[in-house]
Amino acid sequence: KQEVTQIPAALSVPEGENLVLNCSFTDSAIYNLQWFRQDPGKGLTSLLLIQSSQREQTSGRLNASLDKSSGRSTLYIAASQPGDSATYLCAVSGNNRLAFGKGNQVVVIP
Amino acid sequence: SQTIHQWPATLVQPVGSPLSLECTVEGTSNPNLYWYRQAAGRGLQLLFYSVGIGQISSEVPQNLSASRPQDRQFILSSKKLLLSDSGFYLCAWSRDRGRTGELFFGEGSRLTVL
Repeated sequence: KQEVTQIPAALSVPEGENLVLNCSFTDSAIYNLQWFRQDPGKGLTSLLLIQSSQREQTSGRLNASLDKSSGRSTLYIAASQPGDSATYLCAVSGNNRLAFGKGNQVVVIP
Repeated sequence: SQTIHQWPATLVQPVGSPLSLECTVEGTSNPNLYWYRQAAGRGLQLLFYSVGIGQISSEVPQNLSASRPQDRQFILSSKKLLLSDSGFYLCAWSRDRGRTGELFFGEGSRLTVL
């Protein structure tokens, strides 16, 4: 059974710093990995999708990397802004299943 | 472009009352549809999954049921709510088969059972 871990559960950074969020998974036989953003009381917004054959994906200030062999993905957010404050979740698909981490709750301090 | 709508956004119901949450997808056809529940500190739990009209797979035995009366409509129901049914319910869709495609979520429905 795939297990997805996101540590730390919560973190605060000053505005302007780069954010680094980690996602680890136990089964490297994955189909893809997806990063989401969730604002309080809202649904999940898809940020980036990395296929298993890819090493990274970029969108604006966001960059996500994938290392299947070590079971890790990292989401980088450059030059963080207060508007980046949210919970970030990763989800790993494989074996006809999708497993979610519990998220990293991020606060960017102005 | 594709959009997903969920309603109601907030619902407060007494124990033993019925439930109906609705979800519709626009701008695509034959999507995979999902109902998730999100509880504080417990992450997302897949409740139901559908690949087509009338085709529902249940992930967790529970007090809830789902139906797909139309291609882009997914309904979550209960005949008698329990306190433990309180939570944040999320509808999602994907294009790809096998529950491995990119997921797109609705805005969620907050259910409080009193």
